[in-house]
Formats: sequence, structure tokens, C-alpha cells
Amino acid sequence: DTEVTQTPKHLVMGMTNKKSLKCEQHMGHRAMYWYKQKAKKPPELMFVYSYEKLSINESVPSRFSPECPNSSLLNLHLHALQPEDSALYLCASSPVFAVTSPLHFGNGTRLTVT
Amino acid sequence: KNQVEQSPQSLIILEGKNCTLQCNYTVSPFSNLRWYKQDTGRGPVSLTIMTFSENTKSNRRYTATLDADTKQSSLHITASQLSDSASYICVVSALNNLFFGTGTRLTVIP
Repeated sequence: DTEVTQTPKHLVMGMTNKKSLKCEQHMGHRAMYWYKQKAKKPPELMFVYSYEKLSINESVPSRFSPECPNSSLLNLHLHALQPEDSALYLCASSPVFAVTSPLHFGNGTRLTVT
Repeated sequence: KNQVEQSPQSLIILEGKNCTLQCNYTVSPFSNLRWYKQDTGRGPVSLTIMTFSENTKSNRRYTATLDADTKQSSLHITASQLSDSASYICVVSALNNLFFGTGTRLTVIP
């Protein structure tokens, strides 16, 4: 079982809904990431938090809003999404934000926007 | 342009057989290369990491190779098992960026 826990596992939402994805890790990692993965494609980086501060925002539309309340938790708030936002959303963590640090991925939230 | 290309896109092999997956990259400056295994509907799991000075590294039935001169890596799977069915993703690091390959989808059949 993965040490990065994501909830919910599946989410179906309409384009006018507001929902949140949650991610939790208790490995003491200080870097946390959101990735988006479409079918048969590699994960695409969305956001990186390092020591609870947003370090990277890969030009993600404002309908995706990340939040890092503390070193163990990472949220992704969703509002006014489009059907093309349907994807697997993966959370990952690493000891620090460095390419030498291995990424530990959660099992993702499968999001469907109707 | 920094790119990571994997081949083949998909592969079907019989249980017990060996297979080799390829990863070619143009990423620079090179930091390290990781192979991840991603089961369907789950997050990727790191199998091995290769740094510039390493040529070969083994992890149970997985053996990764790296040729930093030709910018190629391979992942060899020995005595395949049904549980090896997954996507295998090559990820190359440069500075503070990760470049993901498109993956090889491996299916092991009985």
C-alpha cells in the first residue's frame, strides 16, 4: 500500500460544482506535488509545494486552486471545471524538493467532469 | 529540446519470458534517470534510479542499464510474472525538472 493517501478515489462532478481533492502523507516529506494524468499519457506536473510554500505553478488554470494547510496535507480545490479536465489526479511527496529525491505517489483520484 | 522517448509503446509477452524496454533521452544537463512501474488505476512506484556514473543496477528481477554517452537506458525484466503487467515510465531529471517518457505498456499473458 502507498504511504501517500488520496481521497476520494473517484469523483464525478458537474461543471458548476465545487469540490476538493485531498492528499496526506506522514513520512515527514517537505515537498508535495499535484500531477494530472490523462489516459495513456505520462503525468503532467501542476503544482509543487516546498515547506508548505507554493514553489511551482505550471501555468495551471485558476479553476484549480492548491492549498497546503500543513506539512502533511495537500488539497486541490476544483471549481467550474470543464469536461477536458477529466483525468487521474496524482499527489506525490518527496523528502525535499530536489530531483535527487524519489517521488512517492498516491493512487490518485479519478475525476470525471460531466 | 528536452525529450524522453520510450519504446516499444506496448508489448505482450508470455509468462516466464524476459523482455527489455528502451528509453532514449535528449535531456540536458543530466542529473539522474528513474524507472517507475504504474499499475492500472494506481500511482507510479519507483523501481530504480541511475546516476551518471552508474552503468547497471539490479532490483530483484529488474535490471536497468544506462549509457550516458548515447543517452540511452534500458529496463530488463527477467522471468516475467503476471503481476509485471503495468506501464513502465522512464523519468529523466535535469536541474529541478523532471521529464517523463510516454511509457511502455507491458502485458504478461499466461
